[in-house]
Amino acid sequence: DSGVTQTPKHLITATGQRVTLRCSPRSGDLSVYWYQQSLDQGLQFLIQYYNGEERAKGNILERFSAQQFPDLHSELNLSSLELGDSALYFCASSLGTGELFFGEGSRLTVL
Amino acid sequence: GENVEQHPSTLSVQEGDSAVIKCTYSDSASNYFPWYKQELGKRPQLIIDIRSNVGEKKDQRIAVTLNKTAKHFSLHITETQPEDSAVYFCAASRVQGAQKLVFGQGTRLTINP
Repeated sequence: DSGVTQTPKHLITATGQRVTLRCSPRSGDLSVYWYQQSLDQGLQFLIQYYNGEERAKGNILERFSAQQFPDLHSELNLSSLELGDSALYFCASSLGTGELFFGEGSRLTVL
Repeated sequence: GENVEQHPSTLSVQEGDSAVIKCTYSDSASNYFPWYKQELGKRPQLIIDIRSNVGEKKDQRIAVTLNKTAKHFSLHITETQPEDSAVYFCAASRVQGAQKLVFGQGTRLTINP
């Protein structure tokens, strides 16, 4: 158990819909990262937050947005969903010393 | 922007043999280079990491080497076992500042009994 909690574990929805993925970082970690992993693909960096502020941005679509709340949990919002958005979405947290601790992921299926 | 290239994409070795996976990175300011192992359907987990002030690091059957001049680092697994079968990802980042960890494309390692 990494200490990073992601919900929901599985989510099935239809094209055009909107979903929210939630992440609770390890106790004490201020940084939260979101990664997208499509089938048999690598880990694509989406966005990073540090203590509530956006720190770095990757190839995140305009239809996607994220935020980190004062209690340090983070949410990733995916809207106007397309078939190609089906993927495993990982959240990770870090103390800032380098190592990332990943959650179990949220598997999104768009039908 | 930052880029990490990883080779090979698939690797098959006989049990007991060694496996080597290589990565190159583009951001010369990168100073932290971790390796993650991802088993099927599971989360990536750190197996070893190296920082730029060190050229080599070992942990039992696993070793990582770093050549900062060439912007190249490698993972070496010796005496491979069936449980080593997984996808391995290299990554690079700056530990400070915008600590964006950029991953390579992954190597699917299969250990044949």
